[in-house]
Amino acid sequence: DAGVIQSPRHEVTEMGQEVTLRCKPISGHDYLFWYRQTMMRGLELLIYFNNNVPIDDSGMPEDRFSAKMPNASFSTLKIQPSEPRDSAVYFCASSAELAGVGEQYFGPGTRLTVT
Amino acid sequence: RKEVEQDPGPFNVPEGATVAFNCTYSNSASQSFFWYRQDCRKEPKLLMSVYSSGNEDGRFTAQLNRASQYISLLIRDSKLSDSATYLCVVRSGGSYIPTFGRGTSLIVHP
Repeated sequence: DAGVIQSPRHEVTEMGQEVTLRCKPISGHDYLFWYRQTMMRGLELLIYFNNNVPIDDSGMPEDRFSAKMPNASFSTLKIQPSEPRDSAVYFCASSAELAGVGEQYFGPGTRLTVT
Repeated sequence: RKEVEQDPGPFNVPEGATVAFNCTYSNSASQSFFWYRQDCRKEPKLLMSVYSSGNEDGRFTAQLNRASQYISLLIRDSKLSDSATYLCVVRSGGSYIPTFGRGTSLIVHP
């Protein structure tokens, strides 16, 4: 079985540009999480979805960030406009059930560099 | 006080050593506990869940101390391949959001 798939794996962009990160969760998983990881702040939860519905987006840093999940097999995280401080590794993770929501399966991440 | 705290390390140990990490959590209502492992430039992966009675998986033993609000991970007979960052994860009963610690770095040397 394929794990969580993320694309692109690396993204280098200039400040002010729009960035779209993509995620395909594991089939059958009904929770999807977006995280950001930096050396300074560690792993931060940005937003999570349950059955394609955003449940908690309190971790989204500001209005420049938005996330969607149009169907059970696809989600996007968009940054517009991007800034150098957005440089980080962005992980998508999925989980199968409520009780096991701590047992998450992470994608390989997208390493974003904003210059 | 942060929700989940870990000593960042690094813990630098020789092969064959036994090493233990602790992770403290602030919410006494926390219900679920996990250890994840993250290799350099890779994604976190679930290592093991932590049960109230403690659990063991080969060389790895996880324990929960609710009274003192910490979980621990013990690694026996360390291997070079155990070198990684170990993340503590706590989920509170009222929230479905797991909280990750910053991680403890382990370096096992020959």
